[in-house]
Amino acid sequence: EVQLAQSGTEVKKAGESLRISCRASGYSFNNYWLAWVRQTPGKGLEWVGIIFPGESKITYSPAFQGQVAISADSDLRVAYLQWSRVKASDTATYYCAKVQFSGSWSLHETFDVWGQGTMVAVSS
Amino acid sequence: DAVLTQTPLSLPVTLGQPASISCRSSQSLVHNDGHTYLSWLQQRPGQPPRPLIYKISNRFSGVPDRFSGSGAGTHFTLTISRVEAEDVAIYYCTQFTQFPRTFGQGTKVEI
Repeated sequence: EVQLAQSGTEVKKAGESLRISCRASGYSFNNYWLAWVRQTPGKGLEWVGIIFPGESKITYSPAFQGQVAISADSDLRVAYLQWSRVKASDTATYYCAKVQFSGSWSLHETFDVWGQGTMVAVSS
Repeated sequence: DAVLTQTPLSLPVTLGQPASISCRSSQSLVHNDGHTYLSWLQQRPGQPPRPLIYKISNRFSGVPDRFSGSGAGTHFTLTISRVEAEDVAIYYCTQFTQFPRTFGQGTKVEI
């Protein structure tokens, strides 16, 4: 069974660093794009960026470029989303999601599996 | 960005009756490869989004056939043929044709 298991709730103060994770199982981690999506009550669902672990290809939404960093460890089968200095506006639930089909050419395909979400709360 | 506008934002439904949600894009969602990468998601309270439909009208495995998708270009529709109690949720359209990927605001379906 394909699963994406995300790390637990994070409570941070503005200015602190943060890294959340998404552990994949049940499929060939290196051969599928994996994305991060942010959800807030105010802005709804927002696409943060996407990584192809096997080739370290990464694309960010312009809204998040320079604000976060996406990476992956193929040996551990884990993708990461990190901040060097969080802000109160980063408070949200973050989901990882796997693209439906394999191959780096499948960038336009939809998500077929989502993680359970990681809640991030940042106080100012 | 391709802005996706859903209507209505709130949809009161009657069990056993049909329901439809509209999703309009500010730009054509037809990709250069000829496919239209428009999907629908269902999100129940406290749960992550669940994929329902991809490429306009293809249901994911396990999705009941009372859910169907239609449309083309910039206008798309999700239809529930006969609403059941378990369909109470927020439904989102989302596009994978253009960068950045975008989502509709969500439509809350309630009994």
